[in-house]
Amino acid sequence: EAGVTQFPSHSVIEKGQTVTLRCDPISGHDNLYWYRRVMGKEIKFLLHFVKESKQDESGMPNNRFLAERTGGTYSTLKVQPAELEDSGVYFCASSRGLAGPSSYEQYFGPGTRLTVT
Amino acid sequence: DQQVKQNSPSLSVQEGRISILNCDYTNSMFDYFLWYKKYPAEGPTFLISISSIKDKNEDGRFTVFLNKSAKHLSLHIVPSQPGDSAVYFCAAKYITGGGNKLTFGTGTQLKVEL
Repeated sequence: EAGVTQFPSHSVIEKGQTVTLRCDPISGHDNLYWYRRVMGKEIKFLLHFVKESKQDESGMPNNRFLAERTGGTYSTLKVQPAELEDSGVYFCASSRGLAGPSSYEQYFGPGTRLTVT
Repeated sequence: DQQVKQNSPSLSVQEGRISILNCDYTNSMFDYFLWYKKYPAEGPTFLISISSIKDKNEDGRFTVFLNKSAKHLSLHIVPSQPGDSAVYFCAAKYITGGGNKLTFGTGTQLKVEL
């Protein structure tokens, strides 16, 4: 079973530019999550999709961030326009099922390191 | 406001000895806890979990203990091996009304020395 994949692995952009991150979850996983880790701090929740619907977007920092999940498969996270404080590692995770322990245990991708200069 | 705290940023242990990683939480609504291990340039990997109805869960060399009254959990690794050297994250969630989002601590860097 292929794991969660993310693209690109690393992106360097200038302040004000746009960047789109992509995540492909494990096949068959209904739940997809985005998290961010800034400067060696804690990993912070951004949002949660169940299939194609946003279940919880309480962690999205502001309206410069837009997440989509087309057809309930892969997801994109767009940052527009990027600011310096958006730098960090963006992780995507997925989990199986809609309830119970199988939905709690999230499988993470390798992350995209975003550097805004 | 950090709801999950890992107060030790690093820990060094000799191979074969026990590693004990600690985690404290402040939100009494948390009722499910997970430990993740992370190697450099990789994503966190699920290690072990525990529900609040238990006080211990064991999986091979890894045991997690939960003390609800103290809002404290710990991960014991015994015996420690060099391959265990990684950053360990404690995470928590609440099952009822909390959705699936995980709240993480800042991590503890474990180094297992030969």
